[in-house]
Amino acid sequence: QVQLQESGPGLVKPSQTLSLTCNVSGDSINSGGYYWSWIRQPAGRGLEWIGRISTSGSAIYNPSLKTRVTISLDTSKNQFSLKLTSVTAADTAVYYCARFVVVAAASRYFDSWGQGTKVAVSA
Amino acid sequence: DIVMTQSPLSLPVTPGEPASISCRSSQSLLHGHGYNYLDWYLQKPGQPPQLLIYLGSYRASGVPDRFSGSGSGTDFTLKISKVEAEDVGVYYCMQALQTPLTFGGGTRVEIK
Repeated sequence: QVQLQESGPGLVKPSQTLSLTCNVSGDSINSGGYYWSWIRQPAGRGLEWIGRISTSGSAIYNPSLKTRVTISLDTSKNQFSLKLTSVTAADTAVYYCARFVVVAAASRYFDSWGQGTKVAVSA
Repeated sequence: DIVMTQSPLSLPVTPGEPASISCRSSQSLLHGHGYNYLDWYLQKPGQPPQLLIYLGSYRASGVPDRFSGSGSGTDFTLKISKVEAEDVGVYYCMQALQTPLTFGGGTRVEIK
């Protein structure tokens, strides 16, 4: 059974870059049929999709964050990463990594999530 | 972006009684393959969301059969036939038709 675990600093200063890593265990990140994704959730609020990367390394981002976000894949370490530049207090949230299933037309859903990591943006 | 609207925002329920949550999308989620790309997730307190229903009406593995999803196009419903105490949390619908993937605002289910 695949497991995902986020890691990274819990506190980032305004205008700096937020960097998180998602370690994947129990399955190869190279397995076809999946998109590796980041989602965030401000405290007490709903879910916002940040973006995703395919096993080929092709990434798609939420247009609301597109100019500031980069998702990358490290197949040698079986992990993928998120970088969000020029952060402000509005980027304070719990950040989740998740696996999105796209094996066939009859599958488009998140089947596995990390536990989430809290990131606060504050001086 | 596709806007997802859920109702109600909050749903107090009595154990053993049914519950229903509505989700509407700003455009049809019916794909040419014939599938509705609409998922339902439950986020229990302190946990990440977990998949309940995908493609509008397909129960995910391990999900109790008291949960069912229905609807097509722009109108969808999640029903719990008999609510149990473990069903408390926030329920989200999500459209998986196109990027950016978008979620409804959530419906908080609590026990009366």
